[in-house]
Amino acid sequence: EDQVTQSPEALRLQEGESSSLNCSYTVSGLRGLFWYRQDPGKGPEFLFTLYSAGEEKEKERLKATLTKKESFLHITAPKPEDSATYLCAGTGTALIFGKGTTLSVSS
Amino acid sequence: KAGVTQTPRYLIKTRGQQVTLSCSPISGHRSVSWYQQTPGQGLQFLFEYFSETQRNKGNFPGRFSGRQFSNSRSEMNVSTLELGDSALYLCASSLVSGGPLGEQFFGPGTRLTVL
Repeated sequence: EDQVTQSPEALRLQEGESSSLNCSYTVSGLRGLFWYRQDPGKGPEFLFTLYSAGEEKEKERLKATLTKKESFLHITAPKPEDSATYLCAGTGTALIFGKGTTLSVSS
Repeated sequence: KAGVTQTPRYLIKTRGQQVTLSCSPISGHRSVSWYQQTPGQGLQFLFEYFSETQRNKGNFPGRFSGRQFSNSRSEMNVSTLELGDSALYLCASSLVSGGPLGEQFFGPGTRLTVL
C-alpha cells in the first residue's frame, strides 16, 4: 500500500535555529515528490517538486532533498513567518499526502 | 491570474442531508482533484476529473460523487451525510492529469460541518 510518513508531527524552533523535516515514502511507481506549506484556514501552497534521487531545490530559507526512500525539508535560520504545517506528498497514480509537520518558530 | 475558487466557504448540514460543493479551477487548467482533510486522517484523495471524465478515484464510499463541466468547473456531491463527513474539502487544479507531473494549485477549501 502506498504510504507517506512525516516526522516529527510537531516542531518548535527558536528564530534562527535550523532544522530538518523528514518524509519517508513507499509509493509504487513514484513520479514525483511534492512539498506544500499550509497555513491555518487555507489550502496547501505548492513549494517544491522533486523527481529523482539526489535532486535538490531551494527557495529562500527552505531546501528540499530527495533520496530513494525519503525526502528532507531543511529550514535554515527560520523566522516566525515560516510557522505553518508542511506537507509532503508522493504521486504515483494519485497524490498521497503525509499528515504533515506543524512548525512553530518563536522570536 | 485568478486562483482556484471554492464555494461556499462554510457549510452546516444535518445528518441525512446531501450537499454540493463547487470548484472553479485556474483558467486553462483542465484537471480538477478533490481532497478531504481531517485532523485524524490528514489529506485524502477523493477523485480527479479531466476533460469531464473521472480519471482516478480514491477509497471513499459511493455517497461521494463528482462531475466536471465543459468549462472545467467541477462539483462534488455528498449524499446521506454522516457526522464523520465533517471536514475541510479541498479542490486542486493542474494542467496535466493522472497523478500530476506538475504542481497542483489548491483552493481555500469548503469547511463542512455535519450536525
